[in-house]
Amino acid sequence: DAGVIQSPRHEVTEMGQEVTLRCKPISGHDYLFWYRQTMMRGLELLIYFNNNVPIDDSGMPEDRFSAKMPNASFSTLKIQPSEPRDSAVYFCASNQWAGRTEAFFGQGTRLTVV
Amino acid sequence: GENVEQHPSTLSVQEGDSAVIKCTYSDSASNYFPWYKQELGKGPQLIIDIRSNVGEKKDQRIAVTLNKTAKHFSLHITETQPEDSAVYFCATYTGGFKTIFGAGTRLFVKA
Repeated sequence: DAGVIQSPRHEVTEMGQEVTLRCKPISGHDYLFWYRQTMMRGLELLIYFNNNVPIDDSGMPEDRFSAKMPNASFSTLKIQPSEPRDSAVYFCASNQWAGRTEAFFGQGTRLTVV
Repeated sequence: GENVEQHPSTLSVQEGDSAVIKCTYSDSASNYFPWYKQELGKGPQLIIDIRSNVGEKKDQRIAVTLNKTAKHFSLHITETQPEDSAVYFCATYTGGFKTIFGAGTRLFVKA
């Protein structure tokens, strides 16, 4: 397996624009997590899915953020409208047993909102 | 909720020396303690983990110790090498499907 695949690797957008980040988890993993990493706040869990169903989105900062998982092999994180404070590295991770075993992270998407 | 504190935030060592990173947690129900290494431009990657029924685990130059009574666990890297330079995260899992990460330690190994 190629691991968790995220796209794009880098995204630069203007304030107010819609941004969509994409993730392909490892095949067979039932859990998918979206994290945001910043210098100030470290790694923050935004939302996670189990078998394509959102279980806990309490980490999503605002209604401008939304996430979907239409099938077992694809998830999106959307920010609309984007703001400069959304600039961060966004990671997708997947695993088989939630927090009880290793989480496999993607390479991340570095988002810059200008 | 669960809280994980990690120290130090930055650690600089000479090549060949040992490095120790410590974490404390608050929830006594925590039962899984992974350590992740994040290299520049990459996602975190598991390097070692320990479960609550074990006090110590070793894998070549890295080891993790767990003190459940004191609610702390530590990462030990011996004979450090420049390629060990990275950010290291401790984490805990209590239940409810969430992994709680520490704030990270930036390790510099000087050649």
